[in-house]
Amino acid sequence: DTEVTQTPKHLVMGMTNKKSLKCEQHMGHRAMYWYKQKAKKPPELMFVYSYEKLSINESVPSRFSPECPNSSLLNLHLHALQPEDSALYLCASSSPGQGPGELFFGEGSRLTVL
Amino acid sequence: KQEVTQIPAALSVPEGENLVLNCSFTDSAIYNLQWFRQDPGKGLTSLLLIQSSQREQTSGRLNASLDKSSGRSTLYIAASQPGDSATYLCAVRHGSGNTGKLIFGQGTTLQVKP
Repeated sequence: DTEVTQTPKHLVMGMTNKKSLKCEQHMGHRAMYWYKQKAKKPPELMFVYSYEKLSINESVPSRFSPECPNSSLLNLHLHALQPEDSALYLCASSSPGQGPGELFFGEGSRLTVL
Repeated sequence: KQEVTQIPAALSVPEGENLVLNCSFTDSAIYNLQWFRQDPGKGLTSLLLIQSSQREQTSGRLNASLDKSSGRSTLYIAASQPGDSATYLCAVRHGSGNTGKLIFGQGTTLQVKP
């Protein structure tokens, strides 16, 4: 099973709402990632968790709050977002250490902020 | 600062042609290089991963090569089919660990005409 599952697939929220994006993998990977992708642009790294600890935060605004409750789950909590935060949010996972580190992506959550 | 460039930005070919997509990077200190495919509005699908010590990888009609010293990788697609139409992204993992930042090129959008 090489699947990364993201929910919801689509989310529309107002600027005052609080919502969460969820990501799950059962490949035994201990590194999980959040990426943001705008139309016709490559994905941009937001956060990396390695062994359930935040290892990289690419200076993301605090209105995005990641959480890694266990080795299979990754959440992205959203609060007071701006319309420019509308994008495709991609979750990915890989196996950390000295191995290949192949990255597997989910299908993404399409977020629209009104 | 690592920069990844993909040429051409777009490519249209008739079905059955063999084609080459190019990826170049500025810093040869990479851990690995990964090629992805992305269909419109979808997530990224991993195609091939080449470790820094490897020269090439093959999967079916796809062959990816890596020349670290010149900072180049190519993705060769044999006997192209309309189903190969998608955006192809290359990404390099910079540094010495396999959870380091993945830096993407801008992508090549391929259209294969029946």
